[in-house]
Amino acid sequence: KAGVTQTPRYLIKTRGQQVTLSCSPISGHRSVSWYQQTPGQGLQFLFEYFSETQRNKGNFPGRFSGRQFSNSRSEMNVSTLELGDSALYLCASSLDTSTNEKLFFGSGTQLSVL
Amino acid sequence: DAKTTQPTSMDCAEGRAANLPCNHSTISGNEYVYWYRQIHSQGPQYIIHGLKNNETNEMASLIITEDRKSSTLILPHATLRDTAVYYCIVRTPYGGATNKLIFGTGTLLAVQP
Repeated sequence: KAGVTQTPRYLIKTRGQQVTLSCSPISGHRSVSWYQQTPGQGLQFLFEYFSETQRNKGNFPGRFSGRQFSNSRSEMNVSTLELGDSALYLCASSLDTSTNEKLFFGSGTQLSVL
Repeated sequence: DAKTTQPTSMDCAEGRAANLPCNHSTISGNEYVYWYRQIHSQGPQYIIHGLKNNETNEMASLIITEDRKSSTLILPHATLRDTAVYYCIVRTPYGGATNKLIFGTGTLLAVQP
């Protein structure tokens, strides 16, 4: 069974640009959540999608957005990039959110903003 | 803020048991204790979870104190590949916020040859 797949693995952008990251969950998983990891702030929750609906959102500015498609694949978008957006962006999937489901994480997209 | 407190780092000799402590003194009655680990440059990996009974799986054992205010993750025979940051997380299993994991700073376990 394939794991969570995130693309691209590495990305370099400049300030002011926008970026779209992609996440393909494990087959059958309906929940996809996104996390940002930086050396200073550690792992922080961005948002979670379930059945194409955003269920939870972390404390990030509106420049960070996401969506989920009918096949459960998810994308997150960051507009007007800032230097501080440089981070490892991790996607996690699980079967649903109503029980004690484990989260399965992808290897992440390393975003560098210059 | 994270509801758990862990030591910043620990060392363990290869082949010996690694015992990683976690304090969660404000845990609520329906909250579970989860452990994940993150090996450098990879996403976190689920290890084990429990409510109040001790749990064991192929990776590790979880010992939760009777008052549930602390727990210990035990890797019975640590190998070099167990070198990672270990996160202890308190998680509510029900409701819409279940997958909003609040990560603390974790414990960097260094397994020494």
